[in-house]
Amino acid sequence: GAVVSQHPSWVICKSGTSVKIECRSLDFQATTMFWYRQFPKQSLMLMATSNEGSKATYEQGVEKDKFLINHASLTLSTLTVTSAHPEDSSFYICSARDKDFHRSGYTFGSGTRLTVV
Amino acid sequence: QKEVEQDPGPLSVPEGAIVSLNCTYSNSAFQYFMWYRQYSRKGPELLMYTYSSGNKEDGRFTAQVDKSSKYISLFIRDSQPSDSATYLCAMRGQAGTALIFGKGTTLSVSS
Repeated sequence: GAVVSQHPSWVICKSGTSVKIECRSLDFQATTMFWYRQFPKQSLMLMATSNEGSKATYEQGVEKDKFLINHASLTLSTLTVTSAHPEDSSFYICSARDKDFHRSGYTFGSGTRLTVV
Repeated sequence: QKEVEQDPGPLSVPEGAIVSLNCTYSNSAFQYFMWYRQYSRKGPELLMYTYSSGNKEDGRFTAQVDKSSKYISLFIRDSQPSDSATYLCAMRGQAGTALIFGKGTTLSVSS
């Protein structure tokens, strides 16, 4: 089945630094990547949608200059949290849509737990 | 009103019980309905998928969609301790649009 590899699985960083999260589709081409954030005991909240080769579309309230998304190829999308602050600590998950969309759902990465200290 | 409402629980049942999980939604454009299972600190795993109204069964799991009532359900028969997890309903409109999730219901099945 389709697999999305997400790295790192967890990261601790100092306040003010930047963190990059990668999602790779291993056996399919991901034309669209969705990035979600999940706070404890909360649902997955959509942050942005990125299509390969295009600028990402951000949801209301999500700062595009803070959460930089790059989707330069059909198999790789990255989310960079710039100048991270403790309130950015959360669980970040990517979800990919297959180019040859014949699947019922989207494939999720395993998530990245970010802790900003 | 949120687009997708789901009772977060927690829900505790004994092994072998039938579990009923539900979500309501407000957006009539939603056409595809899914249930995901999520273990702590892991990404969601797709359990069931249904297009439009109707029932779908897969082993111990049955998904139901009633678009007229904007109500979806997931039934788990003969629940097992390994079913203990958070169950998230998710839905979307046309192809290519993002999934919108419910808050998730935490289920605990005791042996």
